[in-house]
Amino acid sequence: NAGVTQTPKFQVLKTGQSMTLQCAQDMNHNSMYWYRQDPGMGLRLIYYSASEGTTDKGEVPNGYNVSRLNKREFSLRLESAAPSQTSVYFCASRATGGWNQPQHFGDGTRLSIL
Amino acid sequence: AQTVTQSQPEMSVQEAETVTLSCTYDTSESDYYLFWYKQPPSRQMILVIRQEAYKQQNATENRFSVNFQKAAKSFSLKISDSQLGDAAMYFCAYMAGNTGTASKLTFGTGTRLQVTL
Repeated sequence: NAGVTQTPKFQVLKTGQSMTLQCAQDMNHNSMYWYRQDPGMGLRLIYYSASEGTTDKGEVPNGYNVSRLNKREFSLRLESAAPSQTSVYFCASRATGGWNQPQHFGDGTRLSIL
Repeated sequence: AQTVTQSQPEMSVQEAETVTLSCTYDTSESDYYLFWYKQPPSRQMILVIRQEAYKQQNATENRFSVNFQKAAKSFSLKISDSQLGDAAMYFCAYMAGNTGTASKLTFGTGTRLQVTL
């Protein structure tokens, strides 16, 4: 049972480098999300895609771009990485169809920017 | 904007005892949903329990139950008969009920639960 798969699991970048975090889900979910988790801050929403073909900003979108490539895949891109973007990034997906459909999370990507 | 506050950064409980984790939230919405997620050291986010705001009855899932006080905007999690496997970060989360397909979650800052022998 794959669920939500994130790649890579770990990455170290230098300031100014670019990087794309990949996320794929095999549950035929319509909605997908990208969060970042920082110590003492909980999870904060970066971008989300309510359905294939749509994307919207979340709470902390600056410095990021996203692409909903198809129903399965939702990628997060850092065009010019900054040390402030050092964080653990989580992708999640959710089926449409009522409030009690939970978000399913990937295992996270730990990203360090030097 | 909605906010979720978890005022206990860390809690500790002895195995087999009961512990309550606190969560308060602020919203002007009348229709919303509340969740508790568990994050063990593996970093996975696992849904523990969920509550509809329009239901007065508190949700229960095996050893986990909530105390939902809508007027006070409080949503605490009670873990009974604590087990070593309950050790984790616990996050309270809020979802507005009128977001259509978006269904965005707002998380609190988390409570780290230690379980001791």
